[in-house]
Formats: sequence, structure tokens, C-alpha cells
Amino acid sequence: DTEVTQTPKHLVMGMTNKKSLKCEQHMGHRAMYWYKQKAKKPPELMFVYSYEKLSINESVPSRFSPECPNSSLLNLHLHALQPEDSALYLCASSQGDPGQGRKLFFGSGTQLSVL
Amino acid sequence: SQKIEQNSEALNIQEGKTATLTCNYTNYSPAYLQWYRQDPGRGPVFLLLIRENEKEKRKERLKVTFDTTLKQSLFHITASQPADSATYLCVLYNQGGKLIFGQGTELSVKP
Repeated sequence: DTEVTQTPKHLVMGMTNKKSLKCEQHMGHRAMYWYKQKAKKPPELMFVYSYEKLSINESVPSRFSPECPNSSLLNLHLHALQPEDSALYLCASSQGDPGQGRKLFFGSGTQLSVL
Repeated sequence: SQKIEQNSEALNIQEGKTATLTCNYTNYSPAYLQWYRQDPGRGPVFLLLIRENEKEKRKERLKVTFDTTLKQSLFHITASQPADSATYLCVLYNQGGKLIFGQGTELSVKP
């Protein structure tokens, strides 16, 4: 299984809602990532988990809250988002540290619209 | 400041021709460079990785070169097909522990 599975594929939420994005991989990868991508722009790194510990937080607003319950799962909890947070949210995993030349495996993303 | 620049304009070529995409970088000393393909509404898919001590890497119709003196990588698709139409992303590893994405080049292969 070389897939990263993200759910839901699409999400529409109001600014007062609380929702969660989910990501799962069964490749035994120990690094997992959240990226945000706006249309016609490259992915922007949000968070990195390494061995289930948060290792990088790119100064992301606290309305985004990541969680890594175990080595196969990664969640992104959303609360009080703004319309400008509308984007494609991508989860990725890698076998180890990117510094070792590890490639990223991406999920298909969750297209989020905040009304 | 650190920059990664890819062909800013979309690249339109005829089927069967070779597509050449450029990735230039400044103020980086990447240990390696990766290329990914992204289709609309989907996540990027890894294509090739080339290390700083490698000049060229090939995989089927794909070829990547890496010139650390020019600070440039070229990505070639030979015998291009309409199915190769996508956005191609150049990605550097930053010594700070992050992968940095270029803005991508949109390739369109016409039949």
C-alpha cells in the first residue's frame, strides 16, 4: 500500500464551525506533513511530525491545530477559520527525515471552502 | 534572499517534442533536488531526485540535470504526450530541515 488517504475530499464550513481533516498512511513512514496550497501557487508547509512528535510549526495561526494520534494517522483540527483559509490542504508522508533525500508521498487533498 | 525560480510562463509544446523545464535557485546549497508532477485538484507525485554530486538522472522518458555551479536544474520530457500535461514542481531541501517548493511550471502538450 503506497497511498496516503485524506478525508474528506471536499469540506465547506462556516467561520464558527469546528471540523477536522484526517490523513492516514500504512507505509510505515515516520514523518508526516500538512501543507496548504492556494490555486496556482506551490504547497506551503504548515506542520511536520517526526516519530509522532511535532517537529516543525511554520508559525501557523492557532485556529489550525494538528494532532498525530499514532504513526499512521494525522489530523488537522479547524476552528474559527477565515475565508482566506480556503485552500487545498495536503497531507504527505516520508520514510524518514527529508534531509536523507526521502521523497514525499502526498494524498489527494481536502478542498476546503470557508464561508 | 533565498529564491527558487521556475519558468514563469506556461509551456506549450507539440506532441512528440521534448519539453525542457528550468529551475534556478539563489542563496541555497541544496544537498539534493526533487521534481514532482501535480495534476489539478490532486497532490504532487514524486518523479525524480538528483543529488548534488550527480550531474544527470534518467527515468524512462524523463531526464534531470543538476548544475551546482550555475545553480540550475533542467527537467526534460522526451517524446512528450498530451498525458504529460500537468504542473511540474522543483523542490529543494533546505538545510533548516524543510523542503522548499518552486512555484511550478504548467506544461501543456498539444496533439
